[in-house]
Amino acid sequence: DGGITQSPKYLFRKEGQNVTLSCEQNLNHDAMYWYRQDPGQGLRLIYYSQIVNDFQKGDIAEGYSVSREKKESFPLTVTSAQKNPTAFYLCASSISGGNQPQHFGDGTRLSIL
Amino acid sequence: GQQVMQIPQYQHVQEGEDFTTYCNSSTTLSNIQWYKQRPGGHPVFLIQLVKSGEVKKQKRLTFQFGEAKKNSSLHITATQTTDVGTYFCAGREGGSYIPTFGRGTSLIVHP
Repeated sequence: DGGITQSPKYLFRKEGQNVTLSCEQNLNHDAMYWYRQDPGQGLRLIYYSQIVNDFQKGDIAEGYSVSREKKESFPLTVTSAQKNPTAFYLCASSISGGNQPQHFGDGTRLSIL
Repeated sequence: GQQVMQIPQYQHVQEGEDFTTYCNSSTTLSNIQWYKQRPGGHPVFLIQLVKSGEVKKQKRLTFQFGEAKKNSSLHITATQTTDVGTYFCAGREGGSYIPTFGRGTSLIVHP
């Protein structure tokens, strides 16, 4: 089955530590996205990538970094500069941007130790 | 920047009652998408509206896109417990690559 795989499902971060969240898709989609979800806040865009080796900041990119070295992979690093990282992180992909529906992974829940 | 406002934030209904959530944009939209997120799950695409005044139905769900393409609604007739979840709209401006999500409406259905 094609889909998006996020790992791990749960992640704990210590103060001052960087952590990387994995997102892999086998849908052959060009566009990939990272969202942060907090209770009552909906989905806020962190970064998105329209094509391999290219990515753009979203609304809340500070304290996060991404790479897009392969079409199927779009990892998100939560750096120590992100002071409030506890949230539910969702990765999504679409055939391209614009009119195409987004397919979401199951998410990673990040907590601070 | 573009803003998409969605109301209400929460809605409690008795099973069998109707439910409606509304999205309003500060700018004219090229299209609007609707997603459903079950508790503990991830958003799942439901439908996309593109044309002014468009109405689409999926069984008990009716989706509308306003004439001015600045607002949209999702109406559920005779809710069931399986309808429980958070419904998000996502509107895209013509010049934007990506849509902006509303904050969602959480539907709670009491049996």
